[in-house]
Amino acid sequence: DAGVIQSPRHEVTEMGQEVTLRCKPISGHNSLFWYRQTMMRGLELLIYFNNNVPIDDSGMPEDRFSAKMPNASFSTLKIQPSEPRDSAVYFCASTVTATNEKLFFGSGTQLSVL
Amino acid sequence: SQQGEEDPQALSIQEGENATMNCSYKTSINNLQWYRQNSGRGLVHLILIRSNEREKHSGRLRVTLDTSKKSSSLLITASRAADTASYFCATPMDTGRRALTFGSGTRLQVQP
Repeated sequence: DAGVIQSPRHEVTEMGQEVTLRCKPISGHNSLFWYRQTMMRGLELLIYFNNNVPIDDSGMPEDRFSAKMPNASFSTLKIQPSEPRDSAVYFCASTVTATNEKLFFGSGTQLSVL
Repeated sequence: SQQGEEDPQALSIQEGENATMNCSYKTSINNLQWYRQNSGRGLVHLILIRSNEREKHSGRLRVTLDTSKKSSSLLITASRAADTASYFCATPMDTGRRALTFGSGTRLQVQP
């Protein structure tokens, strides 16, 4: 199994631009999570899906952030417009059930907004 | 706010020594998990301990859980340079949401 795959690994963009982060969960996993990691705030849950349905998006910072999961094998996190304070590492994780046990993380996307 | 907080924030030891990291959390939980993160990589699940367990072992890892004190510890015995990483405890979110909240982590440096 290839594990959770995220792309791109690194993204550098200018303030105001749209950014799209992508995630392919492990096949057979039906829960998918987006986390953001910064030095100041640590790991923060942004949103999670169960069976492709968004269950909890209370961690999404503001309307500039949106996430979709059109099918079981693909999810996107979009920031529009991006701001320098969005600079962080964004992780996608998946698990086989929604029972909060043993998350499998991707390698993350390092986002820098200039 | 974060549910779990690790202590110490950073730890530096020599190869062969034991490393102990502690985690405190705030609300009732049904399990507590420990994850490891190497620099520039995603988190990797190490071990899960359930609320009705007091101690669990996995290779060189030993985890304890004290639900009365809302605390857990992770012991790595006979540490190796390859154990250098950040270690995080994770607990279910306090509002019943089926997701994990992570502590601030302990940065472990094992000197060869």
